[in-house]
Amino acid sequence: DADVTQTPRNRITKTGKRIMLECSQTKGHDRMYWYRQDPGLGLRLIYYSFDVKDINKGEISDGYSVSRQAQAKFSLSLESAIPNQTALYFCATSVGAGANVLTFGAGSRLTVL
Amino acid sequence: AQSVAQPEDQVNVAEGNPLTVKCTYSVSGNPYLFWYVQYPNRGLQFLLKYITGDNLVKGSYGFEAEFNKSQTSFHLKKPSALVSDSALYFCAVRDMDDKIIFGKGTRLHILP
Repeated sequence: DADVTQTPRNRITKTGKRIMLECSQTKGHDRMYWYRQDPGLGLRLIYYSFDVKDINKGEISDGYSVSRQAQAKFSLSLESAIPNQTALYFCATSVGAGANVLTFGAGSRLTVL
Repeated sequence: AQSVAQPEDQVNVAEGNPLTVKCTYSVSGNPYLFWYVQYPNRGLQFLLKYITGDNLVKGSYGFEAEFNKSQTSFHLKKPSALVSDSALYFCAVRDMDDKIIFGKGTRLHILP
C-alpha cells in the first residue's frame, strides 16, 4: 500500500456540487498539506496542518475548506465546485520542523463541468 | 516573501549530453532548497536538498545541484542525460512559516 493515499483518483462533477477529496497516510508524519497543480502554474499551497489541532491557509484557500480528522487523515472540501477548480490535487506529508522532505500522494484529478 | 523562479518552461537535451535545469531563489536568512521530479501520472518525488555545507549536493538517479549564494541559484545538473530523465522538474524553498513553496516547473525532454 502507498504511504500517502488519495481518494478518489479521478472525479468529474458539475458546478455547484460539494466535493470531498480524502488523504490518509501511514508515514506517521505530523504535517499534512494540500496542493493544487495547474499547467504553467506549478504547485500552489491550498491548506496545511502541522498537527491535528493546527490548520493554516495557504496562498489559494478561497473556495476550499479542510478537516484534519486524525493525525493520519486530512480532507479537502469544495463546498460548491466551480469550473476553475478543475485541476490536479496533491496531498503531501512531512515530519516536523526543519528541512524535511515532502512525501506526495499520487494525486486526485478533479474536473468541474 | 520567499519564492523560487524557474526561468525555463522547457529544456531539450540530447541523450548523453549534460543537462542543467535552472532555479533562482529569494529568501530571508539561510535557504533550505529542494528539487522534486514528477513523472507522467505520478506524484512528485524528492531528488535532493540543500540545507548547509557543501555547495554541490548529490541526489537520486545521478542528479546533483549546485548552490550558489552570490547568484541566489540552485541549478539541477546531470553529467549524462538519459531518455528516462524526461519529466517535469520542480525547484522548491522552505519559507519563513516552515512550509514549502514550489516553482512553476520545467519540463525536461531528453532526445534519443
